[in-house]
Amino acid sequence: GAVVSQHPSWVICKSGTSVKIECRSLDFQATTMFWYRQFPKQSLMLMATSNEGSKATYEQGVEKDKFLINHASLTLSTLTVTSAHPEDSSFYICSARKKTSTDTQYFGPGTRLTVL
Amino acid sequence: TQLLEQSPQFLSIQEGENLTVYCNSSSVFSSLQWYRQEPGEGPVLLVTVVTGGEVKKLKRLTFQFGDARKDSSLHITAAQPGDTGLYLCAGDFASGTYKYIFGTGTRLKVLA
Repeated sequence: GAVVSQHPSWVICKSGTSVKIECRSLDFQATTMFWYRQFPKQSLMLMATSNEGSKATYEQGVEKDKFLINHASLTLSTLTVTSAHPEDSSFYICSARKKTSTDTQYFGPGTRLTVL
Repeated sequence: TQLLEQSPQFLSIQEGENLTVYCNSSSVFSSLQWYRQEPGEGPVLLVTVVTGGEVKKLKRLTFQFGDARKDSSLHITAAQPGDTGLYLCAGDFASGTYKYIFGTGTRLKVLA
């Protein structure tokens, strides 16, 4: 199998605080992980591509200083939403790609962030 | 910025009916994937198509990739309530990167 987990599954925080979301590939090594956000009733929007051991590549319009991505190992990537505001409330989903399978990405279950 | 338009946006049908969802772009895809997503969960991959004109079947689901690799369709035969969900196409526009951009989505509801 190819299982990707995310932690936490949901989080509520106050405006101005930072929140870290973890994405782990549980039974495979992931050279690349992707971070998406999804607003209610909408599709997934790619935020950034995270490669192990190197800096993340952000999509146009995504603030890299606000959404800090770290991919320190082949099984873990983290997304930190810094100084979160209510407009950052969203469903954040990661996916991971195996070293051996370039066209298939395995999605995590998502993290629901609510900023008060 | 590449854009994938899906149509229709919403679809509510009776159990047993057939339906087709379309995914269109002005750019050529290297490959295209279809996913289904349930509320509060991550998307689940249904199929990947790579070759222009390719047709793949998954039980009652038939996926077709356009000859020019700019469009795709998903046809569901005899829809069931369990088919209810958000259907998403995702295209890889830049060969070799395998970075998929998601379509606008089609929300399907199948009534019993």
